[in-house]
Amino acid sequence: AQSVTQLDSQVPVFEEAPVELRCNYSSSVSVYLFWYVQYPNQGLQLLLKYLSGSTLVKGINGFEAEFNKSQTSFHLRKPSVHISDTAEYFCAVRTAGRGSTLGRLYFGRGTQLTVWP
Amino acid sequence: EPEVTQTPSHQVTQMGQEVILRCVPISNHLYFYWYRQILGQKVEFLVSFYNNEISEKSEIFDDQFSVERPDGSNFTLKIRSTKLEDSAMYFCASSAPGQYEQYFGPGTRLTVT
Repeated sequence: AQSVTQLDSQVPVFEEAPVELRCNYSSSVSVYLFWYVQYPNQGLQLLLKYLSGSTLVKGINGFEAEFNKSQTSFHLRKPSVHISDTAEYFCAVRTAGRGSTLGRLYFGRGTQLTVWP
Repeated sequence: EPEVTQTPSHQVTQMGQEVILRCVPISNHLYFYWYRQILGQKVEFLVSFYNNEISEKSEIFDDQFSVERPDGSNFTLKIRSTKLEDSAMYFCASSAPGQYEQYFGPGTRLTVT
């Protein structure tokens, strides 16, 4: 089984500042990695994903994440945040490979990003 | 853009009652999932469903839970006799053939009193 750790439960930042939300995972097999965002009273929206290839992946709303296999991390970054980025961010992993289309997602506890003016 | 929908958005029920949570997955998706999030805890996998049968279920998904795809569009989660600890946000998700990412609905908040 896999597990995901999001060390920061809350991250407050000022508008236009850079931000990094940390995610570490534990797995004995290869994984696919995802970041989801949840705005207030809404569902989980896919922000970006890493399946293979370049370890730096870009997502929606200017976010990017870097997969680091040796450190088993997949940190999410944005160089300049907006107030509208205030939301909860979830890191998730699942087993990689053919035949695993049905794989369950394992989620971290989430990080509440609050952007102040 | 197609999206997963869920009804109701909020359900209040008494302990011991049966509830059915409904989901309409994205139309060309073939893989369906239920997850739940108890307040303050992680989002947890409950069950995956493909080709009209359960593919995988977690230890949470005991005999009190069942899933069904009664027609070509709906996907339901039934809890036969609700307990206080079933109070949570329940998320439905779906994915398409060849896709590894899952698309989530807005959730149903279930409150058991």
